[in-house]
Amino acid sequence: DGGITQSPKYLFRKEGQNVTLSCEQNLNHDAMYWYRQDPGQGLRLIYYSQIVNDFQKGDIAEGYSVSREKKESFPLTVTSAQKNPTAFYLCASSRQHSGYTFGSGTRLTVV
Amino acid sequence: GENVEQHPSTLSVQEGDSAVIKCTYSDSASNYFPWYKQELGKRPQLIIDIRSNVGEKKDQRIAVTLNKTAKHFSLHITETQPEDSAVYFCAARAYSGAGSYQLTFGKGTKLSVIP
Repeated sequence: DGGITQSPKYLFRKEGQNVTLSCEQNLNHDAMYWYRQDPGQGLRLIYYSQIVNDFQKGDIAEGYSVSREKKESFPLTVTSAQKNPTAFYLCASSRQHSGYTFGSGTRLTVV
Repeated sequence: GENVEQHPSTLSVQEGDSAVIKCTYSDSASNYFPWYKQELGKRPQLIIDIRSNVGEKKDQRIAVTLNKTAKHFSLHITETQPEDSAVYFCAARAYSGAGSYQLTFGKGTKLSVIP
């Protein structure tokens, strides 16, 4: 998967349940990002992290949480506070002054 | 923060014709402009990029132009083929504070190439 792996590919969430999406990269990139993609909405930034143990909120952070304990890993938790979580979630990584490399995405559906 | 507008949202062309997608950005300090292609259900893939010290860049059938004064940049695809059908995203990189930079994406253009 080009050095950045997302899992699972498909995920189903019940009402009131927290779920965690995995993102792992072996590209030695410092920065990692989470985007949400809805039809006609483009890519909206949820959270990003420039270095280990540090992260910032993006444009739509409410109802989501992240951690960055290792350079290679940037998991995203979709909490029960996110009322409309059904979407395609993309993780990306980059070097400081380069474009992004995207993972293959996780499609989350509320059941 | 940076704002990127992308037009058109959908574009249909006949195979062999050219396609042009245009983007404008708001932050005059933005210095890097990549274009991504996303096929249905797949991840976005970088297809071409341009930095602010260059006015035009070409790679086979695709080219990107940048007008810093007007703050707009465009993607040109010549001799389109059915496999060019996808959603294309433009992006601009600007300083986002605390020593970090990030990309702001346009909303995408769905290109359909009709055989």
